[in-house]
Amino acid sequence: EADIYQTPRYLVIGTGKKITLECSQTMGHDKMYWYQQDPGMELHLIHYSYGVNSTEKGDLSSESTVSRIRTEHFPLTLESARPSHTSQYLCASSAIGSVDGEAFFGQGTRLTVV
Amino acid sequence: KNQVEQSPQSLIILEGKNCTLQCNYTVSPFSNLRWYKQDTGRGPVSLTIMTFSENTKSNGRYTATLDADTKQSSLHITASQLSDSASYICVVSDRGSTLGRLYFGRGTQLTVWP
Repeated sequence: EADIYQTPRYLVIGTGKKITLECSQTMGHDKMYWYQQDPGMELHLIHYSYGVNSTEKGDLSSESTVSRIRTEHFPLTLESARPSHTSQYLCASSAIGSVDGEAFFGQGTRLTVV
Repeated sequence: KNQVEQSPQSLIILEGKNCTLQCNYTVSPFSNLRWYKQDTGRGPVSLTIMTFSENTKSNGRYTATLDADTKQSSLHITASQLSDSASYICVVSDRGSTLGRLYFGRGTQLTVWP
């Protein structure tokens, strides 16, 4: 069982609200990622981080922002949620320097914006 | 363009039967290929990881093969169980960046019936 946790698991929120999706890992991994996944579709990288104070945008453009103030935390924030943000958000981490290393995934947050 | 294509998109088999899932990729330069199992509403969990020099790798009832020349991989599941019902995702990592970028297939949705 991987030690990476996401909260909340499910979130239903109104349009225009600000939300933060939490992701924490206890494995000491430097690399962390956020993926967006629509039902039946592949995972798309939206943000990644190599370590503290490092954040980069991924392949899929996203209106969300991330921060990496501590190694173990990589929260994702939407300043003003819209129905188009409805999706599943998956957080992952892996050890830096291990290109062949496994990425461990959290359980995901299912976000619905109404 | 780096892509990962999986087939079939969905598959239904009876409990106890075997099945084979396919993955074709165009990712270059190739680093490794992983098969993940994703249960509904949960994050993906790694089943196998294969590097360029490996042709086959087993993990219990799961056996993965890799042909790096034709850029094809397969995941064979023997004596299927109801708990095998899930989405199986092929993930290819490139060696062209320090990120070890992961490219995801859309997955094969496997349903095992009693």
